[in-house]
Amino acid sequence: DVKVTQSSRYLVKRTGEKVFLECVQDMDHENMFWYRQDPGLGLRLIYFSYDVKMKEKGDIPEGYSVSREKKERFSLILESASTNQTSMYLCATHRQPAGGYTFGSGTRLTVV
Amino acid sequence: DQQVKQNSPSLSVQEGRISILNCDYTNSMFDYFLWYKKYPAEGPTFLISISSIKDKNEDGRFTVFLNKSAKHLSLHIVPSQPGDSAVYFCAASGKIQGAQKLVFGQGTRLTINP
Repeated sequence: DVKVTQSSRYLVKRTGEKVFLECVQDMDHENMFWYRQDPGLGLRLIYFSYDVKMKEKGDIPEGYSVSREKKERFSLILESASTNQTSMYLCATHRQPAGGYTFGSGTRLTVV
Repeated sequence: DQQVKQNSPSLSVQEGRISILNCDYTNSMFDYFLWYKKYPAEGPTFLISISSIKDKNEDGRFTVFLNKSAKHLSLHIVPSQPGDSAVYFCAASGKIQGAQKLVFGQGTRLTINP
């Protein structure tokens, strides 16, 4: 079974702080994704990556950046955290063909 | 623009009866549809999927139906059990503007009453 590990389950950060959310997978999946989940809005795609050092913007990339230096690790970066970034953040990996998306347990981030 | 819509934010069903969760999509480029189940403080877990070339897929108590002409899919759970209480997300996958994407609906909170 693919394991997707997000480094923190709960985080509390102050407005203006730089925040790193880490995601590590233990299989050789090329595709990795960051979503945020908010009530009434479902899961929305922030950024995704199809290969090392490759990144693509999702539907709501503003205020975020990502880093993929190694195949197994995909980091989400909040350059200057704001209260509207308080959310549940979910990392996922994907294998071909379509349907093999596996999610981590999520990081609930609160920005105060 | 919400490409995948779940119009019912919540649904309450008696234990043992059928639960029907609905989902509509707008983009005809989607070719694979999935249902995920999510408990509080956990990531979504894959439940069942269907390819656009099929109209039905069954897995135990779970059946997904796809109506391509109506751009509508539904998840049937029968019989419903208390452990089925969770938030259910419908998702659609396809190559959109050159990139493989997975787009989620807003979710439906299902409560199974004993």
